[in-house]
Amino acid sequence: KAGVTQTPRYLIKTRGQQVTLSCSPISGHRSVSWYQQTPGQGLQFLFEYFSETQRNKGNFPGRFSGRQFSNSRSEMNVSTLELGDSALYLCASSLNEGVAKNIQYFGAGTRLSVL
Amino acid sequence: EDQVTQSPEALRLQEGESSSLNCSYTVSGLRGLFWYRQDPGKGPEFLFTLYSAGEEKEKERLKATLTKKESFLHITAPKPEDSATYLCAVRGGANSKLTFGKGITLSVRP
Repeated sequence: KAGVTQTPRYLIKTRGQQVTLSCSPISGHRSVSWYQQTPGQGLQFLFEYFSETQRNKGNFPGRFSGRQFSNSRSEMNVSTLELGDSALYLCASSLNEGVAKNIQYFGAGTRLSVL
Repeated sequence: EDQVTQSPEALRLQEGESSSLNCSYTVSGLRGLFWYRQDPGKGPEFLFTLYSAGEEKEKERLKATLTKKESFLHITAPKPEDSATYLCAVRGGANSKLTFGKGITLSVRP
């Protein structure tokens, strides 16, 4: 069974540009969560989608947005990029078998560098 | 707000030297504590989930335990391939999101 697939793996952008990252969950998984990982802050929750609806949102500015499609694939978008947005962006998918038993499985991430 | 603190930040062990990694947490209504392993350039890999105080789980050289305030990841006779960053996360209340600690970087020397 294929794991969580994130594309692209690496991305270099300049300040002010926007970027779209893609995530394909494990087959059968309906929930997708996004995290930002930096050396200083660790993993921080961005948002979670289930059945095309945003179910949870972290404390990030409105420049960060996402969506989920009917096939459970998800995209996240960052507009007006800032230097501080340089990070590893991780996507995780889960079966959503109830809150407690909802194990999240992560992709390899997209490494975004903002110059 | 849920909080997770992991200690130490880094740990260097000799092969075969057993030790424990600590994860302290505060959460409103624990719905699960999770341990992940992360290798450089890769995403976190799921290891264990613990749900209630007193619960223990084992996998090869790793054993995770849980109390009402903290969790330990015990590593018995570690090997160089156990070198990685170990992440602890909690899920609280009705919220499905995970709150992560900053991780513990483990290096095992041959």
